[in-house]
Amino acid sequence: QKEVEQNSGPLSVPEGAIASLNCTYSDRGSQSFFWYRQYSGKSPELIMFIYSNGDKEDGRFTAQLNKASQYVSLLIRDSQPSDSATYLCAVRRSYKYIFGTGTRLKVLA
Amino acid sequence: EAQVTQNPRYLITVTGKKLTVTCSQNMNHEYMSWYRQDPGLGLRQIYYSMNVEVTDKGDVPEGYKVSRKEKRNFPLILESPSPNQTSLYFCASSLNSGQYNEQFFGPGTRLTVL
Repeated sequence: QKEVEQNSGPLSVPEGAIASLNCTYSDRGSQSFFWYRQYSGKSPELIMFIYSNGDKEDGRFTAQLNKASQYVSLLIRDSQPSDSATYLCAVRRSYKYIFGTGTRLKVLA
Repeated sequence: EAQVTQNPRYLITVTGKKLTVTCSQNMNHEYMSWYRQDPGLGLRQIYYSMNVEVTDKGDVPEGYKVSRKEKRNFPLILESPSPNQTSLYFCASSLNSGQYNEQFFGPGTRLTVL
């Protein structure tokens, strides 16, 4: 079992819809959780991080964390074609970062 | 401009020929890290450094060495590269080793070992 699991996709959503990206992790010692976006051929860029149970909103993005279920998600409201990318979930454990394999999102115009 | 730079961006080499990929940041960051990215395996941490002269292994350190003699530089050394080290490599840095810091990634180095 991978320590951080994501569905590889592609997840296809129409423009203007809500995209929901999910991530599960296995180590309960994980301390903080990050969502990165990676366009094809580019380096990852941070979208947001979360470390407390509940929701955290930043513009069109909402991260949700449920430590009991070991689950973190990212919601993208009003999805745009420019949101088409691979979304990487990462967890921080001690001083290390563990990344999932990413979910490819396609927003259809 | 605040950035992480890597050199070279592309490298084709042969098995056993020692190479170094350089990484430099101009943000006075304490924490630096190296990753490799492979299809189906995602980003995997090779080594990290919490500060000058402090380095530790990530999840896939075999076949790699690092050093951190200066705060801004964190080179990745492959003493005897093998074909299974063909990959896309990213260097990243963050302010310090605190839990909530954003990592800033370099542009990547695509390495092919023949």
